[in-house]
Amino acid sequence: QVPLVESGGGVVQPGRSLRLSCVAAGITFSSYGMHWVRQAPGKGLEWVAVISDDGSNEYYADSVKGRFTISRDNSKNTLYLQMNSLRPEDTAMYYCAGDFSSSHWGRGTLVTVSS
Amino acid sequence: QSVLTQPPSASGTPGQRVTISCSGSSSNIGNNYLYWYQQLPGTAPKLLVYKNTQRPSGVPDRFSGSKSGTSASLAISGLRSEDEADYYCATWDDSLSGWVFGGGTKLTVL
Repeated sequence: QVPLVESGGGVVQPGRSLRLSCVAAGITFSSYGMHWVRQAPGKGLEWVAVISDDGSNEYYADSVKGRFTISRDNSKNTLYLQMNSLRPEDTAMYYCAGDFSSSHWGRGTLVTVSS
Repeated sequence: QSVLTQPPSASGTPGQRVTISCSGSSSNIGNNYLYWYQQLPGTAPKLLVYKNTQRPSGVPDRFSGSKSGTSASLAISGLRSEDEADYYCATWDDSLSGWVFGGGTKLTVL
């Protein structure tokens, strides 16, 4: 059983918005800080954002600061990434991951920003 | 340009021992834990080493991590064909207030 399942990816035009979700199952979601990590086609891993276990703290990569917002709903075991003002360079596979000391990663959801 | 520097490629023959380096600075590797990931083609990254030297359950002891100052290394002993993958290091950066990944190392088993 995959503990984290992402959804919400798709093709979107530049400047538009998209919200990704990541549902956790089989793990104590509320005990983990949670990350979004992305990987552009043929490129390396790029950290996007992290949120603390209780949602009180958030940090972002400079490349998405002011455009993306990470949030979580522990009652629904769900992590979110609201992506606004999307750019072609945001095209990537987006993975959600638990605390980096855990082995919990999803399989990713693909976001393509193109006109 | 990644904050953490890894060699773009590494190679070895079956049974050999190979090491992959990850170089940073006092604001990242020098002051924080280091993590290593393996990514097979078309799959999500898999945690190999956390907190510099710890292996999650299920990761063979052929994989080992070390850290000294502002550099770290991942060693793979008894190299196997299934170890052919991309390897990434990651850590928190105090100056950036964010996590950073190395650029990745593509390991080829000859």
